[in-house]
Amino acid sequence: AQTVTQSQPEMSVQEAETVTLSCTYDTSESDYYLFWYKQPPSRQMILVIRQEAYKQQNATENRFSVNFQKAAKSFSLKISDSQLGDAAMYFCAYRSARAAGNKLTFGGGTRVLVKP
Amino acid sequence: EPEVTQTPSHQVTQMGQEVILRCVPISNHLYFYWYRQILGQKVEFLVSFYNNEISEKSEIFDDQFSVERPDGSNFTLKIRSTKLEDSAMYFCASSSGYQETQYFGPGTRLLVL
Repeated sequence: AQTVTQSQPEMSVQEAETVTLSCTYDTSESDYYLFWYKQPPSRQMILVIRQEAYKQQNATENRFSVNFQKAAKSFSLKISDSQLGDAAMYFCAYRSARAAGNKLTFGGGTRVLVKP
Repeated sequence: EPEVTQTPSHQVTQMGQEVILRCVPISNHLYFYWYRQILGQKVEFLVSFYNNEISEKSEIFDDQFSVERPDGSNFTLKIRSTKLEDSAMYFCASSSGYQETQYFGPGTRLLVL
């Protein structure tokens, strides 16, 4: 079974600075997808960024970028130029490319605090 | 922008009672999901649903749980006889296609007393 681990329960960052969130996963599959979801307080989870395992190029979405290291099974998220609105729980998630039901397997989450 | 909605936002029930959690997925989506998060624990997959059938379910999704799409807009999760350990936040999600992005609702916080 796949597992996803986020080793940082909480990270604090100064506004306009950069913060990197760690995620590692365990799988025996070669074809899969990885995601970062953001959950602001009392709001729904929204997708931040998605990475296909077959792509070597790291995904980027504006101020958000990932460092995908397939051999190391590592998938970190970098938030550049942090803004107050980035404060949220961030969840790393894994999905097999072959699972019948599109199940997402989540990590435990990292709370990001942004200091003005 | 279309959103997944869930009702109620909070529900308190007595152990042994039946509860129905409701979700309205995004209108043109075809795949539907339920996840739950017990306080302090990871978000866990419960079930996925497509074409009026369960596609995949987890070990958590035992005979006490059922899902239904009773009409063209709602997607429900029923817990037949609630237990204390069913207390959790329940998230509904939907996606437009197989392996497309899953969009989540705000959740229903269920408390079983």
